[in-house]
Amino acid sequence: GNSVTQMEGPVTLSEEAFLTINCTYTATGYPSLFWYVQYPGEGLQLLLKATKADDKGSNKGFEATYRKETTSFHLEKGSVQVSDSAVYFCALSGNTGGFKTIFGAGTRLFVKA
Amino acid sequence: GAVVSQHPSWVICKSGTSVKIECRSLDFQATTMFWYRQFPKQSLMLMATSNEGSKATYEQGVEKDKFLINHASLTLSTLTVTSAHPEDSSFYICSAPNRTSGVTGGELFFGEGSRLTVL
Repeated sequence: GNSVTQMEGPVTLSEEAFLTINCTYTATGYPSLFWYVQYPGEGLQLLLKATKADDKGSNKGFEATYRKETTSFHLEKGSVQVSDSAVYFCALSGNTGGFKTIFGAGTRLFVKA
Repeated sequence: GAVVSQHPSWVICKSGTSVKIECRSLDFQATTMFWYRQFPKQSLMLMATSNEGSKATYEQGVEKDKFLINHASLTLSTLTVTSAHPEDSSFYICSAPNRTSGVTGGELFFGEGSRLTVL
C-alpha cells in the first residue's frame, strides 16, 4: 500500500539557517504530494503541493520538488525564521480512492533566535 | 476560503460514557470527510472515511462499533466515541477535501481538532 517516510525530528536550527526535511514515498500510480504544517495550538494547514512529476510546489519561502525517479518530495527553505517553528507533515493522496491521504510521521522544527 | 470547523475543541468525560464530536464544512458542501486520530508527538492515523448518504468506510483495525460515524448532511459529519475508556484519549481531527483541485487527489481542509480526555 501507499506509505510516506520522513526524517525524524526534532530539528533545531538557528534563525536564517537552511532547512531540509527529507520525505520519500511509496505509491502505485501517480499520487499528489503535499506538505502540511501544524503550528503550535493550531490545526493542520496546507503549506504546498505538487500533483505531477517534476512539479515544484512553493509557499512562504518553502519549496519541494516532486521527484518520481527518487520517489521523493523534500522540503527546503533557504532562511528559516522563528515563526517557522512547527510540525511539518509530508503526505500523499493517491489517484485512486478519492482524496484519501496518508501522512508521514511529522517532523518538529524548532528555530532559535 | 473554505473552512472546516470542529466542536467541541476539548472534552473531558468519565469512563463508560459516550462523546460526540461534530465536524462541519462552513461554506462548502462535503460529500466526503475524513476522521483522523493523532497521538502525542505522532502522525495522523486515518480512522475512517465518512460518506454522505452511505456507511462510513473504516480503516483496518478501527472498531466500527466503538467509533460511530454519521454523515448527516452535506455539511456535517459526527464521530461518536462510545463507551469511552482512557485509552481512547487522543486528539481527533476531521478533514474535508478541496474538490476544486479536481476529481481525484487534492488537498484537505482540516478542522481545529478535538482533544478527548477520558478519566
